[in-house]
Amino acid sequence: DAKTTQPTSMDCAEGRAANLPCNHSTISGNEYVYWYRQIHSQGPQYIIHGLKNNETNEMASLIITEDRKSSTLILPHATLRDTAVYYCIVTGYSGGSNYKLTFGKGTLLTVNP
Amino acid sequence: EAGVAQSPRYKIIEKRQSVAFWCNPISGHATLYWYQQILGQGPKLLIQFQNNGVVDDSQLPKDRFSAERLKGVDSTLKIQPAKLEDSAVYLCASSPPPAGGEQYFGPGTRLTVT
Repeated sequence: DAKTTQPTSMDCAEGRAANLPCNHSTISGNEYVYWYRQIHSQGPQYIIHGLKNNETNEMASLIITEDRKSSTLILPHATLRDTAVYYCIVTGYSGGSNYKLTFGKGTLLTVNP
Repeated sequence: EAGVAQSPRYKIIEKRQSVAFWCNPISGHATLYWYQQILGQGPKLLIQFQNNGVVDDSQLPKDRFSAERLKGVDSTLKIQPAKLEDSAVYLCASSPPPAGGEQYFGPGTRLTVT
């Protein structure tokens, strides 16, 4: 699986958009970008994923650059409950262990009042 | 829809003792995963089941860890004997067919080995 690079931590004001970057310069053509988050003392939660087109759901938007070497997760109106560690993961079909999730240390997003 | 259930939520044991964790995945989810999350790190996959067969156990310390998924539903992860470095949160996750990266995680079991 391709490796990802994320900032260790970020701050965001409540009500503002939170933009979390991720670099994945070695991504291959059949690999997707997945985002998960983990609120303190809970299991990780799936947020969104994409291949090359931008994606949006009720939780967030995912912007993937045209060369697919980086992406940005956007939380449009961050709330205090969005304070969590956000993981960017690149994965795809790889034979037996399909779509294996390899978690890094992620980005700790702190939303401030 | 009920989520992934895990028990116990917390466990404290002494080193060299044994411990078992239980997981009940979301109904209809064929794939089940066990992860270990050490404090300050992201979860690390220990083992993946597809129905009741093992797909990937390359990172499972097989000298002390074992897991089974009888009848392709519930799963149990066992550690015997436990070491201090096994102190971690053990997370269970499941995913529906077809294959994809969307996994649903349980709340985890926090293990402390003293």
